[in-house]
Amino acid sequence: NAGVTQTPKFQVLKTGQSMTLQCAQDMNHEYMSWYRQDPGMGLRLIHYSVGAGITDQGEVPNGYNVSRSTTEDFPLRLLSAAPSQTSVYFCASSYSPGGNEQFFGPGTRLTVL
Amino acid sequence: GENVEQHPSTLSVQEGDSAVIKCTYSDSASNYFPWYKQELGKRPQLIIDIRSNVGEKKDQRIAVTLNKTAKHFSLHITETQPEDSAVYFCAARVYPGNEKLTFGTGTRLTIIP
Repeated sequence: NAGVTQTPKFQVLKTGQSMTLQCAQDMNHEYMSWYRQDPGMGLRLIHYSVGAGITDQGEVPNGYNVSRSTTEDFPLRLLSAAPSQTSVYFCASSYSPGGNEQFFGPGTRLTVL
Repeated sequence: GENVEQHPSTLSVQEGDSAVIKCTYSDSASNYFPWYKQELGKRPQLIIDIRSNVGEKKDQRIAVTLNKTAKHFSLHITETQPEDSAVYFCAARVYPGNEKLTFGTGTRLTIIP
């Protein structure tokens, strides 16, 4: 199993550009989530999904969209990139939402100029 | 919503000594408390977790204690080794009923040879 995969590993955008961060898992996990990691601020939840067709907002959802059309994929879309979105983005998945280990992807380092 | 505070933000320990990282949480309904370790440039990985029906859990050199009354939990690493150098994150969530995992801001642990 590949586990949780993310693409790209690195990305540089200009302010106002849009892009999609890809996340996929091959463990048949119901629960998937997106976090951003900024220095001194830990991991903050952006959006999450408890199954195909179901998504909800986390702590910092503004400027991001998600969809979950399949169990395997959970892409994160930046609608109009801003310098404040410069961060490292992690996708994670677990078998179910509650009390189960979350497996993280390798991360995407995004810089917005 | 849940708020998790983590202290200290940095910790330096002589190799072989013990390290303790403390977290407090605000939501008395939280009942699941995982700890993640993140090595430099890598993804976070679960190292130990505890549920609210247990006061202490051990796994070799690491242990976690939980005080529900005071709403705090701690990570203890004994006989520290250079490979313990990393950033450690605590987290808390309510299960069932809340799919959101709230993380602390992290502790950078450095083991001095």
